[in-house]
Amino acid sequence: KQEVTQIPAALSVPEGENLVLNCSFTDSAIYNLQWFRQDPGKGLTSLLLIQSSQREQTSGRLNASLDKSSGRSTLYIAASQPGDSATYLCAVRRANTDKLIFGTGTRLQVFP
Amino acid sequence: GAGVSQSPRYKVAKRGQDVALRCDPISGHVSLFWYQQALGQGPEFLTYFQNEAQLDKSGLPSDRFFAERPEGSVSTLKIQRTQQEDSAVYLCASSPKVDRAGETQYFGPGTRLLVL
Repeated sequence: KQEVTQIPAALSVPEGENLVLNCSFTDSAIYNLQWFRQDPGKGLTSLLLIQSSQREQTSGRLNASLDKSSGRSTLYIAASQPGDSATYLCAVRRANTDKLIFGTGTRLQVFP
Repeated sequence: GAGVSQSPRYKVAKRGQDVALRCDPISGHVSLFWYQQALGQGPEFLTYFQNEAQLDKSGLPSDRFFAERPEGSVSTLKIQRTQQEDSAVYLCASSPKVDRAGETQYFGPGTRLLVL
């Protein structure tokens, strides 16, 4: 059974810091891994998708890496801003299925 | 263009009532998913449609939960005889079914259900 774990569960940092959010999964047979952002009372917004054949993806101040063999992914946020405050979720799509399996998320607060 | 929409956004039900939650996917999207998100948890898969066919319902927690997508567009998640443990946010997502490896799911804002 695929299990997804995210560390830390919560993080509070001052504006400007570089951050690393961690995601681990138990079954390396995946199609892809996605990082999502969820704001309170809102749905999920996809930030980055890394296919199983890829090692990393970048979008603006965000960089996500994938090490499938060790079952790990990291989301790197450069020069954090208060607007980055949200819950960040990682999700894997197992091979031969269509559903996403989510971690429990990291609640990030960036204060001015 | 319009994203995934869900209605109602909030629903309060008395224990034992039936509820129906609606999802309007992005136009032309083949795949539609329902997830349940309990407070402080990540979303958990409920069921999946490809067009009108329900291909996976392994996540539905009991036979009180039923989902349909009769014309391959709008979907309804119905919960019969609601219980307090059904209180959660119900998220709908759709995707264009390009290919599994590169496919992103687009999520709606969710319906927050509170069962009293």
